[in-house]
Amino acid sequence: DQQVKQNSPSLSVQEGRISILNCDYTNSMFDYFLWYKKYPAEGPTFLISISSIKDKNEDGRFTVFLNKSAKHLSLHIVPSQPGDSAVYFCAASPWGQNFVFGPGTRLSVLP
Amino acid sequence: SQTIHQWPATLVQPVGSPLSLECTVEGTSNPNLYWYRQAAGRGLQLLFYSVGIGQISSEVPQNLSASRPQDRQFILSSKKLLLSDSGFYLCAWSRSTTTTEAFFGQGTRLTVV
Repeated sequence: DQQVKQNSPSLSVQEGRISILNCDYTNSMFDYFLWYKKYPAEGPTFLISISSIKDKNEDGRFTVFLNKSAKHLSLHIVPSQPGDSAVYFCAASPWGQNFVFGPGTRLSVLP
Repeated sequence: SQTIHQWPATLVQPVGSPLSLECTVEGTSNPNLYWYRQAAGRGLQLLFYSVGIGQISSEVPQNLSASRPQDRQFILSSKKLLLSDSGFYLCAWSRSTTTTEAFFGQGTRLTVV
């Protein structure tokens, strides 16, 4: 049973528009969340994180929103660029323990 | 600055042959070290993690083993590879004192034939 779910395996967005990637989790002990971006044949690179004491964290074009009551987080990319095309992984952990990764969502930004 | 090196980038091995993938971290001391495997539709699966030299925890029982002979060196091994061991293997490190992001190596694409 997956504790971290990314129910959309793929997403296509027009360049310049907003990309919204969603992630749901089941373990109420998770209190720290991260998003990673991965290009083919490369290791994932860290994008942005959020702890459970916040409901929003912003870094440039990337914003992560956390809804603890719904056990849901989302990554917003505005504006989307072709270089954003990659697989995005959501990860979650209880404080001080190892992360659990979601299955990933493949984002395609169309020029 | 910290860097993580993982090699080889690609590897084709016959069934039944041994495996050794190496990972080293530079620019930090006493990191937490991890081996992940990326499987289709399942994201990144944690295989092993280590909080110190000689300390290995296994998350998933399987045909693989891990060792940490030095503080910044992490090795993934197998005595006899199976076809099902094919996949994309990733080494990662994180700071030991707090739960922060993990930094990944470039990965190894292993194909067992």
